[in-house]
Amino acid sequence: GAVVSQHPSRVICKSGTSVKIECRSLDFQATTMFWYRQFPKQSLMLMATSNEGSKATYEQGVEKDKFLINHASLTLSTLTVTSAHPEDSSFYICSARDPGRPRGTDTQYFGPGTRLTVL
Amino acid sequence: AQKITQTQPGMFVQEKEAVTLDCTYDTSDPSYGLFWYKQPSSGEMIFLIYQGSYDQQNATEGRYSLNFQKARKSANLVISASQLGDSAMYFCAMTHQGAQKLVFGQGTRLTINP
Repeated sequence: GAVVSQHPSRVICKSGTSVKIECRSLDFQATTMFWYRQFPKQSLMLMATSNEGSKATYEQGVEKDKFLINHASLTLSTLTVTSAHPEDSSFYICSARDPGRPRGTDTQYFGPGTRLTVL
Repeated sequence: AQKITQTQPGMFVQEKEAVTLDCTYDTSDPSYGLFWYKQPSSGEMIFLIYQGSYDQQNATEGRYSLNFQKARKSANLVISASQLGDSAMYFCAMTHQGAQKLVFGQGTRLTINP
């Protein structure tokens, strides 16, 4: 249980294009999902909290117009990197809480991540 | 503000030995959760173990146990009988009351030698 998928796993795009990354909870419903960014040899940094049916909450310093988040259903959140530039190249990883778990109900389960390379 | 500190950037351990990965945290909240995640080279974050601040006993999950010392604000991960497949980055993280978001430490790269 508590499986989170992410698609695509790897994407290479040209500078100026937009890229959409999908995050799905496969065996549970997630009212809240989280998007993180990880640069090489660094820790995960939270970008935003995605709330089903409402606007995402962005962390300080994250441009909401550049990183569009949509949480249209209880099992799907999408992150769109708009007008991508080489400095947006990074590992993007999503997570979701499974409130149905009996222990550690705030445990987050992560997707496999998406490696974005902007040329 | 909540903060997680992992002071060991890298550790090298012989296969089958036990290993302890250090984690200290700082929070003023009485209610919080502590987590350990494993990140192999593939990049996925694998949940290992959880400890709630009000839990009376140290958490255990198979070969993983969490040495929770509340007064010292430490939550060290102990891996017994290490295996080659344990080689990975390990992250300590916490949530606190009223906030769902995770705060991560800097990570420790564990290498198990045959």
